[in-house]
Amino acid sequence: EVQLVQSGAEVKKPGESLKISCKGSGYSFTSYWIGWVRQMPGKGLEWMGIIYPGDSDTRYSPSFQGQVTISADKSISTAYLQWSSLKASDTAMYYCARQSSAANSLDYWGQGTLVTVSS
Amino acid sequence: QSVLTQPPSASGTPGQRVTISCSGSSSNIGSNTVNWYQQLPGSAPKLLIYNDDQRPSGVPDRFSGSKSGTSASLAISGLQSADEADYYCATWDDSLSGHMVFGGGTKLTVL
Repeated sequence: EVQLVQSGAEVKKPGESLKISCKGSGYSFTSYWIGWVRQMPGKGLEWMGIIYPGDSDTRYSPSFQGQVTISADKSISTAYLQWSSLKASDTAMYYCARQSSAANSLDYWGQGTLVTVSS
Repeated sequence: QSVLTQPPSASGTPGQRVTISCSGSSSNIGSNTVNWYQQLPGSAPKLLIYNDDQRPSGVPDRFSGSKSGTSASLAISGLQSADEADYYCATWDDSLSGHMVFGGGTKLTVL
């Protein structure tokens, strides 16, 4: 069974750094792109970027380029999303999702990680 | 402002058929396949339709997708109260080195 399990909720202060994780299981982690999606409170879905764990090839949405870093450690089947300096506007739910090999769709999703940034 | 345009809301009564539209451009819907996601309240999104009109295993055939030109539609027949959710269209956009784009979402209310 394909599963993506994300790390737990975080409460941080503005200016702090953060790295959240997404662990894949039940499939060949290195053979599928993993994407990250943001959902701000009461708002819609926004695609942030994707990474291919096999070779760490990474693509970013123009809206998120330079704002976050996506990485992966294939030895532990885990993808990461990190910030070097959080802002209050980073408060959101963040989902990781696997990109289907046969389409540009996101076929399996993690449960989400809620990030709250508040002073 | 989302790249793909969806109506913010839609509604119907149990048993009815409803459709949700998704409008884009030649760089996204016009040249790539469209996917639809269902997000139930308090849950992660779930893939509902991929490659314009394909249903993943386990998705009832009450859900169907179509595409024409730079627009796509999701149809739900035999509406049920359990279908009350937010629905998002998404596709790849070939501009700016390529990236995925979502519609703004449509909140479906079952009256």
